Amino acid sequence: AQSVSQHNHHVILSEAASLELGCNYSYGGTVNLFWYVQYPGQHLQLLLKYFSGDPLVKGIKGFEAEFIKSKFSFNLRKPSVQWSDTAEYFCAVNARNTPLVFGKGTRLSVIA
Amino acid sequence: GAVVSQHPSRVICKSGTSVKIECRSLDFQATTMFWYRQFPKQSLMLMATSNEGSKATYEQGVEKDKFLINHASLTLSTLTVTSAHPEDSSFYICSARGQYSNQPQHFGDGTRLSIL
Repeated sequence: AQSVSQHNHHVILSEAASLELGCNYSYGGTVNLFWYVQYPGQHLQLLLKYFSGDPLVKGIKGFEAEFIKSKFSFNLRKPSVQWSDTAEYFCAVNARNTPLVFGKGTRLSVIA
Repeated sequence: GAVVSQHPSRVICKSGTSVKIECRSLDFQATTMFWYRQFPKQSLMLMATSNEGSKATYEQGVEKDKFLINHASLTLSTLTVTSAHPEDSSFYICSARGQYSNQPQHFGDGTRLSIL
């Protein structure tokens, strides 16, 4: 079975700082990888996904993630965060025909 | 984009009550629906997976007689928490996906269940 590990529980950044949130997964086969965001009081929204091809994936709102197969990692990055990026970020993985398995989430707080 | 509607958003009821939560896909056919439970400051834990017209598949440790799931159509799944007790208080989130496993899951807004 798959499992997902997110290293940071809570990250606090100033506006314009660069962001990198770690995500590692454990599964021996082919996986699909996702990052979801949950803004305060809202439902989960898909930020970006990786199925195959270019390991550098660009998502909405200036986010990107890089799949490094050898490291079983799928870290989320953004060059310059804004106050509106304050949210909970979840990394998720699934294999073929299996439901998403989520990491514990990382809370991002962006301060002015 | 795809929209999943979950209702109600908040339920407060007495211990022993049964509570039904609805999950609807509004603009796509949800061949598969998932029910998750989220405890405070923790991740989403998958409770069960249901395919339209079939019995739900429950994760280990989830009581199927406690959490009844019905996925009668391609746009509606319901979760009924039977004889709810305070320990069932949690945030329940449904998710729906189309026919293919490489399609992303779309999430409802969640239901906060509080059992007094």
